[in-house]
Amino acid sequence: DAGVIQSPRHEVTEMGQEVTLRCKPISGHNSLFWYRQTMMRGLELLIYFNNNVPIDDSGMPEDRFSAKMPNASFSTLKIQPSEPRDSAVYFCASRYVDSTGELFFGEGSRLTVL
Amino acid sequence: AQKVTQAQTEISVVEKEDVTLDCVYETRDTTYYLFWYKQPPSGELVFLIRRNSFDEQNEISGRYSWNFQKSTSSFNFTITASQVVDSAVYVCALTPSGGSYIPTFGRGTSLIVHP
Repeated sequence: DAGVIQSPRHEVTEMGQEVTLRCKPISGHNSLFWYRQTMMRGLELLIYFNNNVPIDDSGMPEDRFSAKMPNASFSTLKIQPSEPRDSAVYFCASRYVDSTGELFFGEGSRLTVL
Repeated sequence: AQKVTQAQTEISVVEKEDVTLDCVYETRDTTYYLFWYKQPPSGELVFLIRRNSFDEQNEISGRYSWNFQKSTSSFNFTITASQVVDSAVYVCALTPSGGSYIPTFGRGTSLIVHP
């Protein structure tokens, strides 16, 4: 079975540009998470969805960040406008709602904002 | 609120050495789950182990072993006879048993194994 699929794997953009990261969770998983990983802070939870509904977006840094999950098999994380401090690896992960089991992570999207 | 601390930012060893990665956690929950993930250079976090807070038995899987001590709130990970392929970032996490079951992650420890 396919794992969590993220695209793009790498993105280099200039400050002020819009960035859209995409995620396809594992089929059947109904909870989806977006994380940001940096050396300084490790993995930070940005937002998570249960059954396509955003449950907690308190980790979203600013209004420049937005996330959507229009259906069970697709989610986007958008940054507009992007800034150099947004440079990080963004991970998507999925699992079943209210599971105490592990998260299944994608390979991440490495974002560099110049 | 939960907290997971991995005080070791980076560890460097020579192949065949044993190495222990520390993980200390804080939680008010009586029931919780502890995890270790491996993050190789390719980037994806790969699940290694899950431990229930009621199960304090140590676990061994090949060259990997885990020491869970509730009294010290620690869940340490030891690699015996390390190999170059063990080079990765290792991340410890805690998931509470109630509420939203949202995991809290440590910052990770980068392990470099030199040939």
